[in-house]
Amino acid sequence: GNSVTQMEGPVTLSEEAFLTINCTYTATGYPSLFWYVQYPGEGLQLLLKATKADDKGSNKGFEATYRKETTSFHLEKGSVQVSDSAVYFCALSGVNSGNTPLVFGKGTRLSVIA
Amino acid sequence: DGGITQSPKYLFRKEGQNVTLSCEQNLNHDAMYWYRQDPGQGLRLIYYSQIVNDFQKGDIAEGYSVSREKKESFPLTVTSAQKNPTAFYLCASRRASGSPDTQYFGPGTRLTVL
Repeated sequence: GNSVTQMEGPVTLSEEAFLTINCTYTATGYPSLFWYVQYPGEGLQLLLKATKADDKGSNKGFEATYRKETTSFHLEKGSVQVSDSAVYFCALSGVNSGNTPLVFGKGTRLSVIA
Repeated sequence: DGGITQSPKYLFRKEGQNVTLSCEQNLNHDAMYWYRQDPGQGLRLIYYSQIVNDFQKGDIAEGYSVSREKKESFPLTVTSAQKNPTAFYLCASRRASGSPDTQYFGPGTRLTVL
């Protein structure tokens, strides 16, 4: 079945450091891939997505590239801010999955210190 | 503005009482979902519904019940059979389409059983 594996956290970085959160997936065909962000006490918000191989999703300085050859969708940001402290979830939607739920990774907590 | 509302934000109940969590969406989405999140943990799927008057069990349905009488509404009842109901509950919805689309989340309800 479909699955998503994220690097375990927590990740602690200093402000302006480079961020990478690894995400790899298992799925048949070409799933759609998503990154969600959850700030403390809130629901999840879509951060970015990519629907086909080699697509790059980007938003708020975050980027992720859909790599079919390595089945990966790593999240990156060049210079993190304290306000980026949150939990980040990688997710996928399988091919022909209709409205079945997205498959989520376990989440990676990021703490950015000033 | 379109979106998903969950009420109340905080809910307290005595042990042994049933409690119903509200989830309403005005996005005209066909599919709706309920997740449970425990502190420092990822998301676990409770129930989902792809169409009115139909729903499927998720990974942890025991002790929970749902109904889907209207497209806009997907209430979740936490019954006294749920052994450890204290958690953060998230509702989500998704547009029906032939291709995968984004799942949108509500702000969540934090349930505490005393």
